[in-house]
Amino acid sequence: DQQVKQNSPSLSVQEGRISILNCDYTNSMFDYFLWYKKYPAEGPTFLISISSIKDKNEDGRFTVFLNKSAKHLSLHIVPSQPGDSAVYFCAASALNTDKLIFGTGTRLQVFP
Amino acid sequence: EAGVTQFPSHSVIEKGQTVTLRCDPISGHDNLYWYRRVMGKEIKFLLHFVKESKQDESGMPNNRFLAERTGGTYSTLKVQPAELEDSGVYFCASSQAWGGSTDTQYFGPGTRLTVL
Repeated sequence: DQQVKQNSPSLSVQEGRISILNCDYTNSMFDYFLWYKKYPAEGPTFLISISSIKDKNEDGRFTVFLNKSAKHLSLHIVPSQPGDSAVYFCAASALNTDKLIFGTGTRLQVFP
Repeated sequence: EAGVTQFPSHSVIEKGQTVTLRCDPISGHDNLYWYRRVMGKEIKFLLHFVKESKQDESGMPNNRFLAERTGGTYSTLKVQPAELEDSGVYFCASSQAWGGSTDTQYFGPGTRLTVL
């Protein structure tokens, strides 16, 4: 029973355009959401996070949007760069627990 | 500052053998986590140490898995005896302070375990 779902296994975007990665969750107890980026043969690297009391958090080219009523979050990367090509994992945690629940990841490819 | 390190990077063993994975967290981090990713699937939580104590071991698959963190520094994860379904990438992560779900978890590069 997957509580965090990334339904798109892959996404291909042209350099300079916007990349939008989506994530859905089922557990209403989740109150903190994160995006991690992973390159081959490396561990996941923290990218950006958002608390459930917010609906948007921005950090440079990366913006995360949270829609609690729809139990949906998205990561926007603009403009996309070839170095952004990686697997992106959505993760969530519930109040009073550090345990991260991950999605299956979306492989983003940014081409010139 | 050194990141989370894991050893070995790869391990290939036969079914029934024993393997021990090691994780060295970032210096000063009280929290240490083990996760596992089976081929193409999600990264799954295994357990969480706060210093030397197991805070949450709800993700440990069965009693063939034993995790320790003696002295609250590095941690080991032993699989004995290994089964085919144990194959995957084992990640270790650490974070600084206890009690804050918003403390960033920093991941190591992982150990790729293959059980033949």
